[in-house]
Amino acid sequence: DQQVKQNSPSLSVQEGRISILNCDYTNSMFDYFLWYKKYPAEGPTFLISISSIKDKNEDGRFTVFLNKSAKHLSLHIVPSQPGDSAVYFCAASKTITGNQFYFGTGTSLTVIP
Amino acid sequence: DAEITQSPRHKITETGRQVTLACHQTWNHNNMFWYRQDLGHGLRLIHYSYGVQDTNKGEVSDGYSVSRSNTEDLPLTLESAASSQTSVYFCASRRENTGELFFGEGSRLTVL
Repeated sequence: DQQVKQNSPSLSVQEGRISILNCDYTNSMFDYFLWYKKYPAEGPTFLISISSIKDKNEDGRFTVFLNKSAKHLSLHIVPSQPGDSAVYFCAASKTITGNQFYFGTGTSLTVIP
Repeated sequence: DAEITQSPRHKITETGRQVTLACHQTWNHNNMFWYRQDLGHGLRLIHYSYGVQDTNKGEVSDGYSVSRSNTEDLPLTLESAASSQTSVYFCASRRENTGELFFGEGSRLTVL
């Protein structure tokens, strides 16, 4: 049973606009959330994280929002750039030091120049 | 620069053969992981290790084994490869106290 879900397999956005990638989780014990970006033929690379004590974390063009009551998180990319075109995975863990990370199925983002 | 490397990057084998995928990291991280990536499933954890001589099963460990004889390496062995094990395999290590995983570039395995 998929504990972390990304219901949109793909998303297309115009360059300069906002990209919003969504992620839902079912396990209320999850306490730490991460977003990874993956280019073809490469390994995933860490993008941004958030712990459950916060509802927002920002790093440059990337902001992650966490809604614990809805068990939902989202990644906002503003402004979107063609180089952002990749597959984005969200992941969850029960603690920041936990070793069991549960990944979603990924959303393929295409930023159109 | 410290890094994590996997080999081979591509491997074709036959059903029933033993296959070992290598993973080597130079960060001196204690925690290391093996994931497989399949369409519709995302990344699923196969095995992980907290340190030398420690190994633990993940959610899809059947048919796989790992060993940890030193900090740098965590080889993944498929004892008798099956077609269902055709996948892309990623090794990762974790920086202590941050939760961040660092991934290798992946090993694409095809079992015919």
